[in-house]
Amino acid sequence: GAVVSQHPSRVICKSGTSVKIECRSLDFQATTMFWYRQFPKKSLMLMATSNEGSKATYEQGVEKDKFLINHASLTLSTLTVTSAHPEDSSFYICSATPGTSGYNEQFFGPGTRLTVL
Amino acid sequence: DAKTTQPPSMDCAEGRAANLPCNHSTISGNEYVYWYRQIHSQGPQYIIHGLKNNETNEMASLIITEDRKSSTLILPHATLRDTAVYYCIAYPRIKAAGNKLTFGGGTRVLVKP
Repeated sequence: GAVVSQHPSRVICKSGTSVKIECRSLDFQATTMFWYRQFPKKSLMLMATSNEGSKATYEQGVEKDKFLINHASLTLSTLTVTSAHPEDSSFYICSATPGTSGYNEQFFGPGTRLTVL
Repeated sequence: DAKTTQPPSMDCAEGRAANLPCNHSTISGNEYVYWYRQIHSQGPQYIIHGLKNNETNEMASLIITEDRKSSTLILPHATLRDTAVYYCIAYPRIKAAGNKLTFGGGTRVLVKP
């Protein structure tokens, strides 16, 4: 099956620093990737839709200047949390849709746990 | 996408069948019923999907009512490793611009020995 990886799996940073999370589709090309965040005991919340070669589309209430998304290639999307603060501590999950498929197949990464001190 | 409603939690005994209900009374004709599960601190895992016929794979069975307003996911022989949050989602099968998979509250399933 299609595999999506995320790096790092967990990261701890100081308040005010920026953190980059990578999402890679390992065995397929993904024209569309999605970023979610999840707080403890809550459901996944969609943050943004990332299309290769174009600007990401952010969900209402998500600050695009704080959560920078780059989808520069068909196998890599990155999420950068700029000037991170403790309230940004969360579980960030990406998913990817194969570009060659006409179906809404979505494959999820294992997640990245961000802790901001 | 149509809203789905699931019970927030349920327990089941190891080795027994687990029946997880989902209501999707406003499901559209082009929307399939998808089930995902999320084991603690992992990404969601696809389980099964269906349109109107019952479906079965190595993980589970999906029973969809004739009017498509509700469905039941069946884990035939629950194991401790099936403890997870299960999400039922109504979502178009055919890819189109603007499609985005959104998650409701899900059902937190605890399999007990």
